[in-house]
Amino acid sequence: SAVISQKPSRDICQRGTSLTIQCQVDSQVTMMFWYRQQPGQSLTLIATANQGSEATYESGFVIDKFPISRPNLTFSTLTVSNMSPEDSSIYLCSVEDPTNYGYTFGSGTRLTVV
Amino acid sequence: EDQVTQSPEALRLQEGESSSLNCSYTVSGLRGLFWYRQDPGKGPEFLFTLYSAGEEKEKERLKATLTKKESFLHITAPKPEDSATYLCAVGGSQGNLIFGKGTKLSVKP
Repeated sequence: SAVISQKPSRDICQRGTSLTIQCQVDSQVTMMFWYRQQPGQSLTLIATANQGSEATYESGFVIDKFPISRPNLTFSTLTVSNMSPEDSSIYLCSVEDPTNYGYTFGSGTRLTVV
Repeated sequence: EDQVTQSPEALRLQEGESSSLNCSYTVSGLRGLFWYRQDPGKGPEFLFTLYSAGEEKEKERLKATLTKKESFLHITAPKPEDSATYLCAVGGSQGNLIFGKGTKLSVKP
């Protein structure tokens, strides 16, 4: 099955700054998904990233706040911009895994904004 | 709107005490029903995908079943290492997953 390397695993950031999260997949994939998991909540889709096109954002998420890059079929970044304490969450990337008809997730980035 | 509801929110079992977790869903067209396990501080770990009512899948002490309106994750003779949050999700129209809030399972020795 696909393996995803996600970095950083955790960070503590000052409000007003930005953090870029990276996901590297060990195989080429068409779509990569970015999710947010707020404390005590389940996963919510932020956006879908296709290589060579603009990311598609879900309602409530905007490109200026969560810019995404997808330079090739194995890599993507999510930036959390102008952070506030409300952005404190776990951020996860995911790809479809055809070997098991499921989806594989990265290990997550635990972000704390102070 | 596609929706997933899991119950109970939390479940405490004694080691060896079998039980079931419920996932009810409302979708315009089922694109798969997925079960994941999530340990604290980690990303979700894939367990099962189910596509058709009546389908069943097993893995060690876990068995997932599917009807037209809900799925069950049966845990037989659980062990403390089965303690985790179990997430249910359905396939969304964007190719993504739509998750329930999860059931936090604690198994005491």
